[in-house]
Amino acid sequence: DTAVSQTPKYLVTQMGNDKSIKCEQNLGHDTMYWYKQDSKKFLKIMFSYNNKELIINETVPNRFSPKSPDKAHLNLHINSLELGDSAVYFCASSLLPNSYEQYFGPGTRLTVT
Amino acid sequence: DAKTTQPTSMDCAEGRAANLPCNHSTISGNEYVYWYRQIHSQGPQYIIHGLKNNETNEMASLIITEDRKSSTLILPHATLRDTAVYYCIVTVYGGSQGNLIFGKGTKLSVKP
Repeated sequence: DTAVSQTPKYLVTQMGNDKSIKCEQNLGHDTMYWYKQDSKKFLKIMFSYNNKELIINETVPNRFSPKSPDKAHLNLHINSLELGDSAVYFCASSLLPNSYEQYFGPGTRLTVT
Repeated sequence: DAKTTQPTSMDCAEGRAANLPCNHSTISGNEYVYWYRQIHSQGPQYIIHGLKNNETNEMASLIITEDRKSSTLILPHATLRDTAVYYCIVTVYGGSQGNLIFGKGTKLSVKP
């Protein structure tokens, strides 16, 4: 009955690899987001999708690309991983676009070696 | 978006009320106050939000001063599971396209 789920929970990979993190929400929400929490615990938004359209694209490297096969899924693809990409990545969703009442997944801890 | 100031950390005895303050002296008339928390190793959790009236839900109460320059989140009967970092966020409803900006928050430790 998990509202927002992410897989995998942990991801360890080497520099230069390409990886994906999957996110699914069963809340029927229209908008999904990706956030990054760095080692200093600061949470920053990366992307959001509303009905398959990107409505936020913060200044993240273009190695990161969100892909939404349908309204319930927003996957995060990362190419050519770098050491600085190591962080915890959180997926979230909201019923409406521009809503600050968001529901977060459990996070994916990415470690790049 | 208005800047917020929160104490770095607070302690609370289990079963007692936890009162978490937030200063937002530069808040503008159309900005809401949102509260989230993040329990260790979990994703952030929405708690409550308000504009100018006090709000209450099953998790907490939000008290906003009349001049709206500060607010207090109240957990009426804190439990050990309420130990978390609590974030006060002030933002325009519907603005910034849902971009939640998290600060450093207050680390609340509930002690037995």
